[in-house]
Amino acid sequence: DTEVTQTPKHLVMGMTNKKSLKCEQHMGHRAMYWYKQKAKKPPELMFVYSYEKLSINESVPSRFSPECPNSSLLNLHLHALQPEDSALYLCASSQEGNQPQHFGDGTRLSIL
Amino acid sequence: AQSVTQLGSHVSVSEGALVLLRCNYSSSVPPYLFWYVQYPNQGLQLLLKYTSAATLVKGINGFEAEFKKSETSFHLTKPSAHMSDAAEYFCADRGEAAGNKLTFGGGTRVLVKP
Repeated sequence: DTEVTQTPKHLVMGMTNKKSLKCEQHMGHRAMYWYKQKAKKPPELMFVYSYEKLSINESVPSRFSPECPNSSLLNLHLHALQPEDSALYLCASSQEGNQPQHFGDGTRLSIL
Repeated sequence: AQSVTQLGSHVSVSEGALVLLRCNYSSSVPPYLFWYVQYPNQGLQLLLKYTSAATLVKGINGFEAEFKKSETSFHLTKPSAHMSDAAEYFCADRGEAAGNKLTFGGGTRVLVKP
């Protein structure tokens, strides 16, 4: 069982749809992350929130919109995605500083 | 720019044999190194971390890693492989990166033969 919970586990959407990915942690971590992972590749960082403020945006296209409503929740809003956006989307959280990141099991996203 | 290199994208071992996964880092500041394991259809699970307290780090599932500054390495080992060790393994460094960023190696897929 992971301490970072992601929903849904699987998502299939058309290129015109709007959907959201959700992530929740109750470990008191103040940093939260979104990663994109393609098959047979390491995770690629998309966004970092620190104390509920966006601290890093790795030049992600605007069709991905992150949101951190509170210290336990992280959302990723999706709109007008492209087929190449099909991937595993991972959420992670950590304490500030040089502490390890704890990952959820991800949302497998398929764009039709 | 900081980098992490994992030598060998695939490693095949027999059950009961030694598992050795290689990781080299490049950061010029003291690194903070991690090994993660990823099983199919799951996220990344932390195996162990190096944070300068000791050069030999023990982790979960019988894995350990040794930090060698002179070789800029942090290789992962397990004395006796189990079938359940079949997975993807990632080495990562927090080192120079700002803002809690991790630099990942390319990953090594471990296949365990019966």
